Amino acid sequence: SQQGEEDPQALSIQEGENATMNCSYKTSINNLQWYRQNSGRGLVHLILIRSNEREKHSGRLRVTLDTSKKSSSLLITASRAADTASYFCATDAQGGSEKLVFGKGTKLTVNP
Amino acid sequence: DAGVIQSPRHEVTEMGQEVTLRCKPISGHDYLFWYRQTMMRGLELLIYFNNNVPIDDSGMPEDRFSAKMPNASFSTLKIQPSEPRDSAVYFCASSFKRTFGYTFGSGTRLTVV
Repeated sequence: SQQGEEDPQALSIQEGENATMNCSYKTSINNLQWYRQNSGRGLVHLILIRSNEREKHSGRLRVTLDTSKKSSSLLITASRAADTASYFCATDAQGGSEKLVFGKGTKLTVNP
Repeated sequence: DAGVIQSPRHEVTEMGQEVTLRCKPISGHDYLFWYRQTMMRGLELLIYFNNNVPIDDSGMPEDRFSAKMPNASFSTLKIQPSEPRDSAVYFCASSFKRTFGYTFGSGTRLTVV
């Protein structure tokens, strides 16, 4: 069963705009991760945020985590056409589990 | 490091044939995961290994699927006999310890006709 669910399913923006994607999950977690997948390629790890962290930055990426609401958001600032991809959140299925369960992703299109 | 290496990249086979997918994880990584991705079901975890030992194979759909990891640098996923509904992209991923991100291979696109 899906642990993380991304919202929206698809997002289309213009280059230079910010893109925000959300992820909700059901059970307690140790950490939440975000991945990017370009068409026809494997997933690439972007950022990991632990359950005791509220916000994390990496370049143009900003991730927040609200464990009380069981939700996370990924913000991409000043988007570029190269950011066009699908973005997935992943959580360990239950606190302490070693395996990640992925959502179905948000398909982001950045128009030049 | 060349990353996680999967072979073949594409496989087309006839229903009933045996299919073997191969994966070489990143050297030093102690976890290896096999996932399957379809439009309908998204990414599904099939099985994962820790230090070459299978830990959880609850995601393996049927007895037709089997996976092995004979050493730290090689794993296989075998489907015998294959069926059209097995058509999907199969990914292998590895990680170092349980709290770090996964490194995915480029995947094997399997088509069973």
